[in-house]
Amino acid sequence: NAGVTQTPKFQVLKTGQSMTLQCAQDMNHEYMSWYRQDPGMGLRLIHYSVGAGITDQGEVPNGYNVSRSTTEDFPLRLLSAAPSQTSVYFCASSLKGNQPQHFGDGTRLSIL
Amino acid sequence: RKEVEQDPGPFNVPEGATVAFNCTYSNSASQSFFWYRQDCRKEPKLLMSVYSSGNEDGRFTAQLNRASQYISLLIRDSKLSDSATYLCVVYYGQNFVFGPGTRLSVLP
Repeated sequence: NAGVTQTPKFQVLKTGQSMTLQCAQDMNHEYMSWYRQDPGMGLRLIHYSVGAGITDQGEVPNGYNVSRSTTEDFPLRLLSAAPSQTSVYFCASSLKGNQPQHFGDGTRLSIL
Repeated sequence: RKEVEQDPGPFNVPEGATVAFNCTYSNSASQSFFWYRQDCRKEPKLLMSVYSSGNEDGRFTAQLNRASQYISLLIRDSKLSDSATYLCVVYYGQNFVFGPGTRLSVLP
């Protein structure tokens, strides 16, 4: 099983550029979420979705947009990249909200 | 006060030692609890869910005390491969909240 697939694995952007981080899961999970992890810090929730067509903000949503048009896909869009968004981004999914999450391999993003 | 707090660590223990990690959470409405491990520059992986009655999986034992809002993880007979950061995770409302993690190094 593929599980949770994130692309790309690495990306370098210039300040002001926009891009979309892709996340797809093949487990028919309802709940999906995006986190960022900065050096020496825990994971912080950016956005989450409890099902197709439903999204909500997490702890650090500014500068990011999400959509959930299908159960499988949950892309994260950076609107205008800033150096403060340099981080490792993880996508995760769970069958339902209160059940264990499965994580993708992560996307390492650098903003110059 | 942070929503989920963990022992700051790092813990450096010899192989074969028993080590315990503590985690406290602030929201009494928390519904589900988990321990994850994260290796350097890798994604978090589920170690075990934590149930009210306590649960064991091989060398790992997790305990939950709802009255004290406290979760623990005990690792017996530590192996070199147990070296990682251990994350306490609490679910309430519709969010998973991660603790900052406790780093464990098991030394030969």
